[in-house]
Amino acid sequence: DQQVKQNSPSLSVQEGRISILNCDYTNSMFDYFLWYKKYPAEGPTFLISISSIKDKNEDGRFTVFLNKSAKHLSLHIVPSQPGDSAVYFCAASEKGFNKFYFGSGTKLNVKP
Amino acid sequence: KAGVTQTPRYLIKTRGQQVTLSCSPISGHRSVSWYQQTPGQGLQFLFEYFSETQRNKGNFPGRFSGRQFSNSRSEMNVSTLELGDSALYLCASSRGYEQYFGPGTRLTVT
Repeated sequence: DQQVKQNSPSLSVQEGRISILNCDYTNSMFDYFLWYKKYPAEGPTFLISISSIKDKNEDGRFTVFLNKSAKHLSLHIVPSQPGDSAVYFCAASEKGFNKFYFGSGTKLNVKP
Repeated sequence: KAGVTQTPRYLIKTRGQQVTLSCSPISGHRSVSWYQQTPGQGLQFLFEYFSETQRNKGNFPGRFSGRQFSNSRSEMNVSTLELGDSALYLCASSRGYEQYFGPGTRLTVT
């Protein structure tokens, strides 16, 4: 039973445009959400986080939006760069627990 | 600041053997979590250790165990290896909720 889902296995975007990666979850107790970027043969790299008390968090080119009623979060990358090409994972955890559930990942390809 | 380190990076074992993987967290991080990544199942949580105690546990059989030492370094052990245990094993350390991953240990069971 997958509690965190990334329904798009891949996404292709032109350099300079916006990349929008989506993530859905089923557990209403999830309180904290993370996004990671992963290159082949490396561990995931932390990108940005958001807690359930917020609906938006921004860090440079990366913005995460949280819609609690829809149990949906998204990562926006603006502008997209070829170096952003990687697999992106979202992850969620209940409050007080350091036990994260990961989505299956979305492979982003940014074309020059 | 040094990142999370994992040793060994690659390992080949035979069915029925056991294996021990090691993880050194970022200095100052007391929580260490372990994940298994496979193509079919994605990233799955194994367990988390904090101050030498297992604080959270995933849904893996008892063949998977771990421990944490007083310096926060952690080891993960898998006994009676099965072919399905072939995976990338990742550890992550954290001080709060944000987890920082190591490069992983690629385990191949033949």
